[in-house]
Amino acid sequence: KAGVTQTPRYLIKTRGQQVTLSCSPISGHRSVSWYQQTPGQGLQFLFEYFSETQRNKGNFPGRFSGRQFSNSRSEMNVSTLELGDSALYLCASSLRAISTDTQYFGPGTRLTVL
Amino acid sequence: AQKITQTQPGMFVQEKEAVTLDCTYDTSDPSYGLFWYKQPSSGEMIFLIYQGSYDQQNATEGRYSLNFQKARKSANLVISASQLGDSAMYFCAMEDSSYKLIFGSGTRLLVRP
Repeated sequence: KAGVTQTPRYLIKTRGQQVTLSCSPISGHRSVSWYQQTPGQGLQFLFEYFSETQRNKGNFPGRFSGRQFSNSRSEMNVSTLELGDSALYLCASSLRAISTDTQYFGPGTRLTVL
Repeated sequence: AQKITQTQPGMFVQEKEAVTLDCTYDTSDPSYGLFWYKQPSSGEMIFLIYQGSYDQQNATEGRYSLNFQKARKSANLVISASQLGDSAMYFCAMEDSSYKLIFGSGTRLLVRP
């Protein structure tokens, strides 16, 4: 079974631009979560989607948004990029048969904001 | 509030020896899951092992075992027979009914030949 895929793997943007990251979950998984990883803040939860509904959101500004499609694929958008948005963005998918089902991660998208 | 604490920023272990990575957690939710992930320099988070809060026995997955002490709120990872490929960052994480993983700050493990 194919794992979680994320595109693009690397991205370079300038301040003020916007960016869209994509995540395709493991086949059959209906939950997709997004995390931001930075050297200073570590791994932080952004949001979780299940059956196209956002069920939880982390403490991030409104510039960070996401959505999930009917095929469970998810996109994350960051508008008006800031230097501090440079990070590794990780997507994870889960079956969610129970609330604490294992989350399986993709390879990540490394975003650099200049 | 939920919290995961990993007190070992870095550790060394000799190849073929066992090593224990420490993790303590805090939550008021009676139902939760504890996870360990490995992150090589490539960046991908690799799932290693899971322990549910109601599981009576410690979880094991090949060379990985989880020493779960519920009363002490600890969930230490034990890696037996270390290999050079085990050199990586290791993260302890917890999830309760909030649908989000809370991660610790990680432990960098270096396996010496």
